[in-house]
Amino acid sequence: NAGVTQTPKFRVLKTGQSMTLLCAQDMNHEYMYWYRQDPGMGLRLIHYSVGEGTTAKGEVPDGYNVSRLKKQNFLLGLESAAPSQTSVYFCASSYGHPSSYEQYFGPGTRLTVT
Amino acid sequence: GENVEQHPSTLSVQEGDSAVIKCTYSDSASNYFPWYKQELGKRPQLIIDIRSNVGEKKDQRIAVTLNKTAKHFSLHITETQPEDSAVYFCAATPYELNTASKLTFGTGTRLQVTL
Repeated sequence: NAGVTQTPKFRVLKTGQSMTLLCAQDMNHEYMYWYRQDPGMGLRLIHYSVGEGTTAKGEVPDGYNVSRLKKQNFLLGLESAAPSQTSVYFCASSYGHPSSYEQYFGPGTRLTVT
Repeated sequence: GENVEQHPSTLSVQEGDSAVIKCTYSDSASNYFPWYKQELGKRPQLIIDIRSNVGEKKDQRIAVTLNKTAKHFSLHITETQPEDSAVYFCAATPYELNTASKLTFGTGTRLQVTL
């Protein structure tokens, strides 16, 4: 099993450009999440999904959109990138069964917006 | 919403000594408290977690304690080794059955184990 994978690993955007980050998991997890990690601020939840076709806002959703058309994939979109969105983005997934609440993280995508 | 504070931000210990990292949370409904370890350039990985119906949990050299009354929980690492050097994050969430665990993370503690 590959676990949680993310594409791409690195990306540089100019202000105003758009892009989509792809997260894929092969663990048949119901729940998926997108976080951003900035120095000194830990991880902050952007959006999450409780199943195929569902999305919900997290702590810092502004400037991002998400879609979960297939259970195994969770896409994060930036319609008009801003320098404030320079960050490392992590996707995670979890089973949600009471026996295990663990979130499994992907390797991250380092995004720089100039 | 939940607010999690973590201290210290950096911690340096000698190999073989113990390390303690402390977190406080604000939402009394929080009932799940995981700890993640993140090595440089890598993804966060769960090392131990505790639920609110338990006061302490141990896994070899790692232990977590929870004080619900005071709303704080701590990570204890004994007999530290160089491979324990990493950034450690605490988190909290008011987890409910059949819902996503929307974790609120602390700001991290950089642990350096020196020889």
